[in-house]
Amino acid sequence: LAKTTQPISMDSYEGQEVNITCSHNNIATNDYITWYQQFPSQGPRFIIQGYKTKVTNEVASLFIPADRKSSTLSLPRVSLSDTAVYYCLITGGGNKLTFGTGTQLKVEL
Amino acid sequence: DGGITQSPKYLFRKEGQNVTLSCEQNLNHDAMYWYRQDPGQGLRLIYYSQIVNDFQKGDIAEGYSVSREKKESFPLTVTSAQKNPTAFYLCASKSGHGAYEQYFGPGTRLTVT
Repeated sequence: LAKTTQPISMDSYEGQEVNITCSHNNIATNDYITWYQQFPSQGPRFIIQGYKTKVTNEVASLFIPADRKSSTLSLPRVSLSDTAVYYCLITGGGNKLTFGTGTQLKVEL
Repeated sequence: DGGITQSPKYLFRKEGQNVTLSCEQNLNHDAMYWYRQDPGQGLRLIYYSQIVNDFQKGDIAEGYSVSREKKESFPLTVTSAQKNPTAFYLCASKSGHGAYEQYFGPGTRLTVT
């Protein structure tokens, strides 16, 4: 499975857009890019998944360039409740997920 | 109300004792997983099961055992052979091969002293 690299932490203020970038240089042709969110003492929650270009849902957008060696999770107008750890995963055809240490996002007033 | 339940939320045990963590799902999912999370770290895969009566070791299976006798249930036993059992344990499930979204339970925080 491709290794991912993302910032350890990010700070933001309420109402701002937050972009978290993940590098995955060794992504394989069949791999998807998946993001999870985790609050303290809770299980991770699926946010969004994409293969290429742009994917948008009710909570986030995912931008993937043509070479697919990186991806950017975009959270529009964050609030205090978006303070969490965000994990970028590369998901292949198998059943295993590999979680890195994630990005700790802290949103302040 | 569909979902994954783990019990108990907090569990305390003495060193040298085996302890079993419960995980039940009513999502009719085929695959189930156990992860361990240590403070400030990501999740590490202990065991997973793709169908009933079958399971595979994950990245850190030593000192743990599982069973999958029913589709809904995937209990994890932390044995006395596990050197550092104190951690946050998370159970997850997934609908089948090709689906990537795993649904996680609320977790069990195990403390061994």
